[in-house]
Amino acid sequence: EAGVAQSPRYKIIEKRQSVAFWCNPISGHATLYWYQQILGQGPKLLIQFQNNGVVDDSQLPKDRFSAERLKGVDSTLKIQPAKLEDSAVYLCASSPQRDTGELFFGEGSRLTVL
Amino acid sequence: GDSVTQMEGPVTLSEEAFLTINCTYTATGYPSLFWYVQYPGEGLQLLLKATKADDKGSNKGFEATYRKETTSFHLEKGSVQVSDSAVYFCALIKRSNYQLIWGAGTKLIIKP
Repeated sequence: EAGVAQSPRYKIIEKRQSVAFWCNPISGHATLYWYQQILGQGPKLLIQFQNNGVVDDSQLPKDRFSAERLKGVDSTLKIQPAKLEDSAVYLCASSPQRDTGELFFGEGSRLTVL
Repeated sequence: GDSVTQMEGPVTLSEEAFLTINCTYTATGYPSLFWYVQYPGEGLQLLLKATKADDKGSNKGFEATYRKETTSFHLEKGSVQVSDSAVYFCALIKRSNYQLIWGAGTKLIIKP
């Protein structure tokens, strides 16, 4: 079974530029999550989708971050414009059921904002 | 609000030593508890879980027991290997909205 795929693995941009991350979850997983992980901290949930609907985006900085999950499969997270404090690893995870706490993570996309 | 507190790292041990990584939690009700592990260069993966008080989760030689009376879920392993070097995260799931609440992670370094 293929795991969660993310791209790109690494991205370096200058502040005020834009960036997009892509995620393809495990086939059949209805729930998809985007997390932000800053070095030395636990993951912070940015947005959670159930199929193609948003369940929770309360911690997503909506003035600069956006995410979509068209057709309930793969998803894109965009940052525009980027700030220095956005430097982090962006993790995508999926789960067959949102109430189990059992998430399957991709390898992450490391963003460096200069 | 709900929270998870882990011991700070890094924790450095010699191979074959006994490991304990402490985790305590604050939560409404009785959440399920988890340990996730992140090996170098890899994504987070579920290591073990426990869903109710006194449950013991186990996997790959690691164990953790859900202690309601002390609100703890400490991770233990009797004899660590160099390949256990990783960052370990304790987490709970909120019953109200099924969100995972994460600890800050504990980096484990095992020296040969």
